[in-house]
Amino acid sequence: EIVLTQSPGTLSLSPGERATLSCRASQSVSSSYLAWYQQKPGQAPRLLIYGASSRATGIPDRFSGSGSGTDFTLTISRLEPEDFAVYYCQQYDSSSWTFGQGTKVEIK
Amino acid sequence: EVQLVQSGAEVKKPGESLKISCKGSGYSFTSYWIGWVRQMAGKGLEWMGIIYPGNSETRYSPSFQGQVTISADKSISTAYLQWSSLKASDTAIYYCARLYCGGSCYSDSWGQGTLVTVSS
Repeated sequence: EIVLTQSPGTLSLSPGERATLSCRASQSVSSSYLAWYQQKPGQAPRLLIYGASSRATGIPDRFSGSGSGTDFTLTISRLEPEDFAVYYCQQYDSSSWTFGQGTKVEIK
Repeated sequence: EVQLVQSGAEVKKPGESLKISCKGSGYSFTSYWIGWVRQMAGKGLEWMGIIYPGNSETRYSPSFQGQVTISADKSISTAYLQWSSLKASDTAIYYCARLYCGGSCYSDSWGQGTLVTVSS
């Protein structure tokens, strides 16, 4: 089973700053099968990015995804107040789905 | 509009059985996988398993194989997650999610979550 490791665990930033979140896989992942989700307290996760770099419907363009192989990145170009949340990467491989442990983006 | 509506919160005692549900609407229920995800208090997301309602093909995460049963009734567009004997450690929020798998695979629609509390 592929293990996804996200870093950092917590990112303390101010509104307007740039956030860079990392997701590293224990073995190569097809870019097509790498997604990112946002979760706010008391809410279900929301799809942000699929196929490593495609924004889901309605997701602002300040969110972008990149990467390939074992290293993937979610970038939030300028943090808005509503972006402070927990972010998870997820991969699909041979009928096995796994999540990273999450990165919390908190207000500094 | 695609919607997944889950059953309400449950409070159970250890050893009891439980079946929670996830009803899909706004799309062809038999054409998409449905997955179940556990989130323990203050923790991350864990895949439990998935089911394809069209033919009831089911796959489990190794961590949950034998611990839960996933099923679906396509006649009422509903997927289920059940336990035969609950433990305190099953206390968590459980989400269902629709899985799109075409050129990419991802969960594009989620239920609101069902809180399961197991306590004596």
